[in-house]
Amino acid sequence: KQEVTQIPAALSVPEGENLVLNCSFTDSAIYNLQWFRQDPGKGLTSLLLIQSSQREQTSGRLNASLDKSSGRSTLYIAASQPGDSATYLCAVIGNQFYFGTGTSLTVIP
Amino acid sequence: GAVVSQHPSRVICKSGTSVKIECRSLDFQATTMFWYRQFPKQSLMLMATSNEGSKATYEQGVEKDKFLINHASLTLSTLTVTSAHPEDSSFYICSAKTPFAGAGADTQYFGPGTRLTVL
Repeated sequence: KQEVTQIPAALSVPEGENLVLNCSFTDSAIYNLQWFRQDPGKGLTSLLLIQSSQREQTSGRLNASLDKSSGRSTLYIAASQPGDSATYLCAVIGNQFYFGTGTSLTVIP
Repeated sequence: GAVVSQHPSRVICKSGTSVKIECRSLDFQATTMFWYRQFPKQSLMLMATSNEGSKATYEQGVEKDKFLINHASLTLSTLTVTSAHPEDSSFYICSAKTPFAGAGADTQYFGPGTRLTVL
């Protein structure tokens, strides 16, 4: 069964810092990988979807990479802002979504 | 883009009662919908896959008689928590898959979630 791990579980940084969130998975036979943002008590907001044939995707200050062979993905956030504070979930997509446990990010003004 | 709604967004009920949560795809037809549960500070866990016009497929450990799923139309799936107990308190999120999606489970659109609190 696919297992998805996210490190760190929580992260607190001052505003303006660049940061990296990590996601690892055990089974490399995946279709795609998707990063989501979840605000407290809210649903999921899709950030980036990386297809299995791609190595990275970029959207604004966000860049996500995928290395299927090593079972790893990273989400890079540039010039962090207080509005980036949320929980970030990665989901490995096979025949279903397998979600990681999330990284809770706090950006301090 | 595709929009999925859930109703209600928040519900509080007494132990022993049943609660129904609706999941609707607003601007597309969803042949498949998924129900997830999320406990505090934990990730989303798939409970069941709901296909229009057929019985839902439940994940291991999920009681099908307790969590009744009905996918009666291409735009509506309902989850009924029967005889709810405090341990059923959780955040329930549905997602819908478009019929144009590929073999993978991508192209799912997620609802905003329903917070269930059982007293």
